[in-house]
Amino acid sequence: QQQVKQSPQSLIVQKGGISIINCAYENTAFDYFPWYQQFPGKGPALLIAIRPDVSEKKEGRFTISFNKSAKQFSLHIMDSQPGDSATYFCAAYLGSSNTGKLIFGQGTTLQVKP
Amino acid sequence: DAGVTQSPTHLIKTRGQQVTLRCSPKSGHDTVSWYQQALGQGPQFIFQYYEEEERQRGNFPDRFSGHQFPNYSSELNVNALLLGDSALYLCASSAAGYQETQYFGPGTRLLVL
Repeated sequence: QQQVKQSPQSLIVQKGGISIINCAYENTAFDYFPWYQQFPGKGPALLIAIRPDVSEKKEGRFTISFNKSAKQFSLHIMDSQPGDSATYFCAAYLGSSNTGKLIFGQGTTLQVKP
Repeated sequence: DAGVTQSPTHLIKTRGQQVTLRCSPKSGHDTVSWYQQALGQGPQFIFQYYEEEERQRGNFPDRFSGHQFPNYSSELNVNALLLGDSALYLCASSAAGYQETQYFGPGTRLLVL
């Protein structure tokens, strides 16, 4: 019940296209949903995050769509660029009494072709 | 403003040895979480330190232990290393009251032979 399921495992998109990565969860106690971008040999970098009382959040070319009733959320990368080629992780935060942990999906490797 | 720093960047150990990894949180942050990331997998939560105490622990054996110092920096210790402990060890820092917003360091790549 603490899992976060992410799909697809890999994604190839043409430059200028839209990249869409999906995640699903079961535990309704999750209260914060961040997306991280990770380049090879680097640590994950926080990209954008959303709370369950919001249905959409946009920052530049990155948008999170959140469907609380379906327990699903997705990352949309508009006008995808070769520099966006990286591994993307969704996560969900399970917190209580001033502590908590992030539970990550399995990751999606995105390749943006020039 | 320095971000999260970790040392060393790479480490090679043999089975049965012990290892200590170090982390300095982002300026203004007082909470440190440690994660293990196996190749091709998402990070897995090990434990979290706040006010020099372990506040929460993931599904990792007692061979994994940690410490937080008064300056908020932290150490991760792993005893009796196994081949399966080979992974990228990530430290993430956050601020009290905002523990969900975690910023990761570059990680320490541990190889156990």
